[in-house]
Amino acid sequence: EVQLLESGGGLVQPGGSLRLSCAASGFTFSSYALSWVRQAPGKGLEWVSIISASGGTIYYADSVKGRLTISRDNSKNTLYLQMNSLRAEDTAVYYCAKSMLAGTLRACLDNWGQGTLVTVSS
Amino acid sequence: DIQMTQSPSTLSASVGDRVTITCRASQSISSWLAWYQQKPGKAPKVLIYKASSLESGVPSRFSGSGSGTEFTLTISSLQPDDFATYYCQQYNSYPGTFGQGTKVEIK
Repeated sequence: EVQLLESGGGLVQPGGSLRLSCAASGFTFSSYALSWVRQAPGKGLEWVSIISASGGTIYYADSVKGRLTISRDNSKNTLYLQMNSLRAEDTAVYYCAKSMLAGTLRACLDNWGQGTLVTVSS
Repeated sequence: DIQMTQSPSTLSASVGDRVTITCRASQSISSWLAWYQQKPGKAPKVLIYKASSLESGVPSRFSGSGSGTEFTLTISSLQPDDFATYYCQQYNSYPGTFGQGTKVEIK
């Protein structure tokens, strides 16, 4: 059974930093692209970033480019999101999600974690 | 970047109704479109991928169609468990984008 477990969320002041982790199990981690998707309170889903299976290809939403950094450690089956220069508008539940197909970025998201809440407020 | 526009934003329907949700892309995305269902406090769940392929375990009352820029999600006979919010997502190119969502409410 695929499991994705996010951690690292919490309350942070504007301008602060936070690192989210997503521990994965139940599939061959190093074969699949992984994504971060966020959802502000009461709002819709916003795609944030994707990283290829090897980590060699990365894309970001314009709203987070230069402030959020996605990475992965295939030896630890863990996905990360380093969040710097945080703003109030970054307040959201952050989900990690696995691509449906191995070895490609052109795939939907077939497994999601339960999400971790990041609150940016003074 | 590709923009995804869903309609309607809210839909009121009764159990047994046929429901259709539309998603339009700002440029062609071929068939690289997925539909997700989300219930309050839960993570999204994929229903349809590649525009018309039904994800394993999803009831057959859900179907998807379309290609290029126009796509639809149809629920043939709405069931109580289907009251939720539905999102389309394009994965033809990145940044990936979701539609703004369609909330299906009880009439």
